[in-house]
Amino acid sequence: NAGVTQTPKFQVLKTGQSMTLQCAQDMNHEYMSWYRQDPGMGLRLIHYSVGAGITDQGEVPNGYNVSRSTTEDFPLRLLSAAPSQTSVYFCASSPTPSGRSDTQYFGPGTRLTVL
Amino acid sequence: RKEVEQDPGPFNVPEGATVAFNCTYSNSASQSFFWYRQDCRKEPKLLMSVYSSGNEDGRFTAQLNRASQYISLLIRDSKLSDSATYLCVVTSGSARQLTFGSGTQLTVLP
Repeated sequence: NAGVTQTPKFQVLKTGQSMTLQCAQDMNHEYMSWYRQDPGMGLRLIHYSVGAGITDQGEVPNGYNVSRSTTEDFPLRLLSAAPSQTSVYFCASSPTPSGRSDTQYFGPGTRLTVL
Repeated sequence: RKEVEQDPGPFNVPEGATVAFNCTYSNSASQSFFWYRQDCRKEPKLLMSVYSSGNEDGRFTAQLNRASQYISLLIRDSKLSDSATYLCVVTSGSARQLTFGSGTQLTVLP
């Protein structure tokens, strides 16, 4: 199993550009989520999905869209990049929403800089 | 007030030392509790779950006090390889979303 994969690893955008961060998992996990990590802020939930065709907003959803057409893929779209979206983005998956015994598996992250 | 608060450190300790990290959470309805470890520029990885009865995994002991809304992590006999950032995490809501503390940085010195 490759686990959770993310592409690209690094990306530089100009203000106003759009792009899609890719996330895929091969563990047949139902639950997937996107976080951003900024210095001193910890990880913050952007969007999550409890299964194919179902998505919901997290703590910081503005400026981002997601879709979940398959169990495996959960892309994150930046509609019009802003410098405030400069961050490290992590995708995660787990068999079910995190509970007593479930582990969330994180991808290696995408480092995004918006100029 | 942040939902999950940790002392950011940094904690610089010599090899073999015992070090303790503390965490408080504000949502009394939080359901599950974890410590994650994050190495520099890497993804977070689950270190251990935290139960009210307390739990131990080798040199690591985690405690939860629901009444005080307080979580702790104790590392005994610190190793150089323990150097990392330790993230306190709680879940809440119907989808059990994770809420992360900002992390406590630990450096174990030779």
